[in-house]
Amino acid sequence: TQLLEQSPQFLSIQEGENLTVYCNSSSVFSSLQWYRQEPGEGPVLLVTVVTGGEVKKLKRLTFQFGDARKDSSLHITAAQPGDTGLYLCAGAASYNTDKLIFGTGTRLQVFP
Amino acid sequence: ETGVTQSPTHLIKTRGQQVTLRCSSQSGHNTVSWYQQALGQGPQFIFQYYREEENGRGNFPPRFSGLQFPNYSSELNVNALELDDSALYLCASSSGPPSKNIQYFGAGTRLSVL
Repeated sequence: TQLLEQSPQFLSIQEGENLTVYCNSSSVFSSLQWYRQEPGEGPVLLVTVVTGGEVKKLKRLTFQFGDARKDSSLHITAAQPGDTGLYLCAGAASYNTDKLIFGTGTRLQVFP
Repeated sequence: ETGVTQSPTHLIKTRGQQVTLRCSSQSGHNTVSWYQQALGQGPQFIFQYYREEENGRGNFPPRFSGLQFPNYSSELNVNALELDDSALYLCASSSGPPSKNIQYFGAGTRLSVL
């Protein structure tokens, strides 16, 4: 069974601080995605990483895929209240399906 | 706004009842996936439909069933509701054939089973 564990589960920080969210598995994934979900809405895709060791940047967000494609991290620089939300990592289960295995989620609260 | 619409937005049922949730996929998308998201958890894959055929199923009992229509909209049916079925049900559409395609999620249907 493929599982994705995220840490920390909860994060409460002040505006301007940096943070890192981790997504770990014992399984290899063909690709990994990061989503942000706000209350009352569905998850919104932030990024997809495909190649082991790949690093992608989206403004103040930096995403990295582990060399072995078993783990990933999301780093936010100078967090802002607008970054508040539930961050989810999700791995593609196999090549012939869109099925996603979601992580347990990290709930981030950024205070002004 | 992803173009994926789900109805109803909220629903309250009692144990043992049956429920039908609906999803209209984004224009041009022929694949629909359904996920269950319990409070404080990540979504769990229920099943996926591609061109009206089931294309993969997660670890859910047979009382969870689905349909995809010729216009690629979809229904999720749950029979004999249990308290643990209370969750946010998410529908996601993508452009097939299924192969790591980007999925676009709807806002979900919040189901409460009393």
